Amino acid sequence: GAGVSQTPSNKVTEKGKYVELRCDPISGHTALYWYRQSLGQGPEFLIYFQGTGAADDSGLPNDRFFAVRPEGSVSTLKIQRTERGDSAVYLCASSDDRPKTGELFFGEGSRLTVL
Amino acid sequence: AQSVAQPEDQVNVAEGNPLTVKCTYSVSGNPYLFWYVQYPNRGLQFLLKYITGDNLVKGSYGFEAEFNKSQTSFHLKKPSALVSDSALYFCAVRDIDTGFQKLVFGTGTRLLVSP
Repeated sequence: GAGVSQTPSNKVTEKGKYVELRCDPISGHTALYWYRQSLGQGPEFLIYFQGTGAADDSGLPNDRFFAVRPEGSVSTLKIQRTERGDSAVYLCASSDDRPKTGELFFGEGSRLTVL
Repeated sequence: AQSVAQPEDQVNVAEGNPLTVKCTYSVSGNPYLFWYVQYPNRGLQFLLKYITGDNLVKGSYGFEAEFNKSQTSFHLKKPSALVSDSALYFCAVRDIDTGFQKLVFGTGTRLLVSP
């Protein structure tokens, strides 16, 4: 596709449930990022993939959060035993392989609401 | 750690007047700085970046930013504001501690342009 695609755009779930959020990056982009944005805040880094491997997962808040990118393209962010504090917009971004100068291209986000 | 600060939560300006959205940075080494805009319920859109070279960087939608090394600032400017410029603006810096891969964002500044 032309841009970064994220599904679902909205997800409402109950506390304790499992959630998967999908990201389809721009074709050919090797780098993929997940960010989380709470209301009124700037995006907060979660995890970065270079190809299939998670090069930096230092932003994942705890072991309930996990992300995969098995074929180096589509990525899935997985959240187990969701909590109300997980409610946020989850943003995915991709970029080409220019670690210093390349800008990130963002999707429109997946809004997660945990009741 | 690398960081950016956006001292103003909100900036108000009348249509046709010049606008400035402020950003200061704290980095060890050379800064790689970015501005993004976020419209309601949308993802972040890249506006411009400073990597090296001219201190005045021109970007999308008539925006420009001035890099000032002595003041460690990277303020976003536009000579004549439009009502459609009303949005949330984020300054960001590449995190050299992690090999430049992730962007670290500021808290954002809401720009309101009145007719």
